[in-house]
Amino acid sequence: SAVISQKPSRDICQRGTSLTIQCQVDSQVTMMFWYRQQPRQSLTLIATANQGSEATYESGFVIDKFPISRPNLTFSTLTVSNMSPEDSSIYLCSVRTGAVGELFFGEGSRLTVL
Amino acid sequence: DAKTTQPPSMDCAEGRAANLPCNHSTISGNEYVYWYRQIHSQGPQYIIHGLKNNETNEMASLIITEDRKSSTLILPHATLRDTAVYYCIVRVAGGSQGNLIFGKGTKLSVKP
Repeated sequence: SAVISQKPSRDICQRGTSLTIQCQVDSQVTMMFWYRQQPRQSLTLIATANQGSEATYESGFVIDKFPISRPNLTFSTLTVSNMSPEDSSIYLCSVRTGAVGELFFGEGSRLTVL
Repeated sequence: DAKTTQPPSMDCAEGRAANLPCNHSTISGNEYVYWYRQIHSQGPQYIIHGLKNNETNEMASLIITEDRKSSTLILPHATLRDTAVYYCIVRVAGGSQGNLIFGKGTKLSVKP
């Protein structure tokens, strides 16, 4: 398993601003992912954070809107840029450490955009 | 990844067994069945996974039919703390991709 810490746990932001969410893992992991969970919805994968290279984005998500950094095997950041109320969601960091692909998740960062 | 179908909601009396079904009729031979749950305002929590044999751990049991087209997650003695959304996911283990595709899940309400 892995212990995953996310900061901030929640924030309220103004339209047009940007927010960076941090994800810290207590052990080195190869696979790290960022998910979004919109209100009353299931989880949607935003991107895979690759160490030492550009993140791999899923359809519908672009680097300009959600830039991701992965400077080492224990840390990643997700930035939500030029925010609008539609970006109000919970953003979750997850890592894959299990031998058969089980994921472990942080507690999420609840973002409200006014 | 194979598509799964789960009932949107279920109720269970506290102390009774909760049996959560999942249909995955298009599952491939190398795809595992994973179960996760998400308690309100928390990140998803891994519960159990299996390939073809039934599995049991300290949290739950997983029963997979012989044709692997469906499975059931069993919480043997449900408590109020088991109230959550339960997600059934099927995918290939390992490989270069580690992401899981979450459906809408089953909202389990455990009632006193």
